[in-house]
Amino acid sequence: EAGVTQSPTHLIKTRGQQATLRCSPISGHTSVYWYQQALGLGLQFLLWYDEGEERNRGNFPPRFSGRQFPNYSSELNVNALELEDSALYLCASRSRGDTQYFGPGTRLTVL
Amino acid sequence: RKEVEQDPGPFNVPEGATVAFNCTYSNSASQSFFWYRQDCRKEPKLLMSVYSSGNEDGRFTAQLNRASQYISLLIRDSKLSDSATYLCVVSGVNFNKFYFGSGTKLNVKP
Repeated sequence: EAGVTQSPTHLIKTRGQQATLRCSPISGHTSVYWYQQALGLGLQFLLWYDEGEERNRGNFPPRFSGRQFPNYSSELNVNALELEDSALYLCASRSRGDTQYFGPGTRLTVL
Repeated sequence: RKEVEQDPGPFNVPEGATVAFNCTYSNSASQSFFWYRQDCRKEPKLLMSVYSSGNEDGRFTAQLNRASQYISLLIRDSKLSDSATYLCVVSGVNFNKFYFGSGTKLNVKP
């Protein structure tokens, strides 16, 4: 069974640009969570999507947004990029159970 | 106050040692509990779920104490390959959010 996949692996942008990150959950999983992990820091919750709807968001500004598609894949958009947005962005999926499974992440660098 | 708190370490132990990590959480309504391990610059991987009755998986034993709101992980007979950061994770009500501790770093030395 394929795991959670994310693309791209690495992304380099400049300040003020927009970044789009993609996540495909494990087959059959309807929930997708997005996290930000800045270098040397813990995981910070960004967004939760379930059944196509945004269910919860963390303490991040509105320029962090996303959506979930009918096939349960998800997209995270970060507008007006700032230097401090440089981080590893992790996506995790969950089925009806309580366990999350993580993708390999997208490493975003903002120059 | 942070939702989940862990000692960042590092814990430096020799091969074969037994090491224990604790983690405390602040919300008594928390629903599910986990330990993940994260290798440098990689994604977290599930180590084990944690139940009140305690659970064991080979050299790893996890315990949950709801009354005191802490979770523990015991690693016996440490291997070099156990070197990683161990993340304590607690879910909110109806899995609306998962709270991650900042991690405890373990270095197992030959």
